[in-house]
Amino acid sequence: SQTIHQWPATLVQPVGSPLSLECTVEGTSNPNLYWYRQAAGRGLQLLFYSVGIGQISSEVPQNLSASRPQDRQFILSSKKLLLSDSGFYLCACPVPRSGRASSYNEQFFGPGTRLTVL
Amino acid sequence: QKEVEQDPGPLSVPEGAIVSLNCTYSNSAFQYFMWYRQYSRKGPELLMYTYSSGNKEDGRFTAQVDKSSKYISLFIRDSQPSDSATYLCAMSWNTGNQFYFGTGTSLTVIP
Repeated sequence: SQTIHQWPATLVQPVGSPLSLECTVEGTSNPNLYWYRQAAGRGLQLLFYSVGIGQISSEVPQNLSASRPQDRQFILSSKKLLLSDSGFYLCACPVPRSGRASSYNEQFFGPGTRLTVL
Repeated sequence: QKEVEQDPGPLSVPEGAIVSLNCTYSNSAFQYFMWYRQYSRKGPELLMYTYSSGNKEDGRFTAQVDKSSKYISLFIRDSQPSDSATYLCAMSWNTGNQFYFGTGTSLTVIP
């Protein structure tokens, strides 16, 4: 079964400082990986997804970037944080499941990193 | 127009009440419908999954999909304080890797 690790769990950073959040996945190979941000009142926002090493698609233009240096590692970065970058950052990967009517993919989430930019 | 619309609440109910959570969507190609539960400061976890139209029941939880109205619901019977969480609907149009999430509804069940 899949396990997603995220660290750090909590982070408080000043405006203008750099950021590096890490996500690693166990129990699967060559997974698609996703970064989401959840900000108060704004729901779950897809930031980046990756279908393989070095392959990153950006969903929302912003001062964040993502990298995938290894098959099961996904990193979210910023050179200079903004106040608006505060939020709960979630890493996720699809997990195949079998239902009675059909097979489907569950979007499986990690425990998240809570980032506060002051 | 957003792909998926969900009333953010917050919703507050007494223990034992029946809770109804709803989402509407615009893409008629959606076939797979999911409800996630997210406790405070935790990642979302899959609660219910439904394929195409119809009802699905799991204990106190019932998921309904009405594709003709592009409307899905989650019912919680005999609600408990432990049901207090944010509930997110999600949907996709194939068994691939593209998911569309609602903004989530915050639910508090008062003992």
